[in-house]
Amino acid sequence: EAQVTQNPRYLITVTGKKLTVTCSQNMNHEYMSWYRQDPGLGLRQIYYSMNVEVTDKGDVPEGYKVSRKEKRNFPLILESPSPNQTSLYFCASSSLAGVSYEQFFGPGTRLTVL
Amino acid sequence: AQKVTQAQTEISVVEKEDVTLDCVYETRDTTYYLFWYKQPPSGELVFLIRRNSFDEQNEISGRYSWNFQKSTSSFNFTITASQVVDSAVYFCAPLNNDMRFGAGTRLTVKP
Repeated sequence: EAQVTQNPRYLITVTGKKLTVTCSQNMNHEYMSWYRQDPGLGLRQIYYSMNVEVTDKGDVPEGYKVSRKEKRNFPLILESPSPNQTSLYFCASSSLAGVSYEQFFGPGTRLTVL
Repeated sequence: AQKVTQAQTEISVVEKEDVTLDCVYETRDTTYYLFWYKQPPSGELVFLIRRNSFDEQNEISGRYSWNFQKSTSSFNFTITASQVVDSAVYFCAPLNNDMRFGAGTRLTVKP
């Protein structure tokens, strides 16, 4: 089954404790992206990657890191989480081949930073 | 960068009413795709439709229809005979390599 998986789905942590949210897709997609969703602000892009070892900042990259060592994985790293990073996070992937650009989304990770 | 405006933050209708969700976008790209996604209360993001910027033909899919007007940079979404299950947040997005979503419109359909 084609899917994007994220782990964990729910996480409560404390300020300053490093964490990683994993994202994996099984569709051989080149493009992967992280978004955060906050009430009234819609989906805002954090980072994206066009392919392995290629990453770029989105609209709200501050406080986040990503890596793309393998095509299928795109982890989101919070080196020193702060309460303003409490949010719902979505990972997405899409193919850059053809004419689609449809993004497939993971189920979301709800992060609370105390 | 692209920009999307979904001016309606929240809409409330009674079941069986028709409702139109507005989307206005800005882009410098000559080729792009326009998407609508639905986010029901369960939280997942559900793909609804994709349109190519070259194709201005309107589309109907069951109770859903989309009106793409390139001249006014609008891509509006109409639900005919709304149902309670249509209650969700709807996102419009013009997408290319630069992925941008609107802030979303929360639709509530009351029985």
